[in-house]
Amino acid sequence: NAGVTQTPKFQVLKTGQSMTLQCAQDMNHNSMYWYRQDPGMGLRLIYYSASEGTTDKGEVPNGYNVSRLNKREFSLRLESAAPSQTSVYFCVSGVTQLQETQYFGPGTRLLVL
Amino acid sequence: KQEVTQIPAALSVPEGENLVLNCSFTDSAIYNLQWFRQDPGKGLTSLLLIQSSQREQTSGRLNASLDKSSGRSTLYIAASQPGDSATYLCAVRAAGNKLTFGGGTRVLVKP
Repeated sequence: NAGVTQTPKFQVLKTGQSMTLQCAQDMNHNSMYWYRQDPGMGLRLIYYSASEGTTDKGEVPNGYNVSRLNKREFSLRLESAAPSQTSVYFCVSGVTQLQETQYFGPGTRLLVL
Repeated sequence: KQEVTQIPAALSVPEGENLVLNCSFTDSAIYNLQWFRQDPGKGLTSLLLIQSSQREQTSGRLNASLDKSSGRSTLYIAASQPGDSATYLCAVRAAGNKLTFGGGTRVLVKP
């Protein structure tokens, strides 16, 4: 099993550009999440998907959109990137919503100039 | 609002010493608490998951305790090794399907 995979690993954008961060898991997990990690702010939840076909906002959803394409894939889109979105983005998956161990992807490092 | 705090933010110990990492949370209505390890430039790896009904979990040299009523968890790492150097984060899951993370404790084990 590859676990949770993310692409790209690193990306540089100019302010106003758009991009989609891709995430896939091969563990047949129902729940998938997007977090961002920033120095001094810790890890914060952007969006999550409890199951295929559903998505919900987390703590910091502004400026982002998500798509749960199927059970395996959960993408995060930045429509118009801003310097404040410079961060490390982690995709996470888990078996069920509550009683679960969460599995992290390797992260995508995004720099917005 | 749930807040999770980890003190100290950084810790340096000589090899062989036992490590004690602390995590406190403000709202005791949690489903579980999880300890993670993060190496520089990497994602988080789950170490231990303690359900709210449990008092502790053990895995090899790692032991985590949970005192839900006082809002505290402690991660013990016995006989530390240089390979244990990493950042350790705790996270609590509560209602609303949200995992709230602490800021982490950066550990350095000196040979």
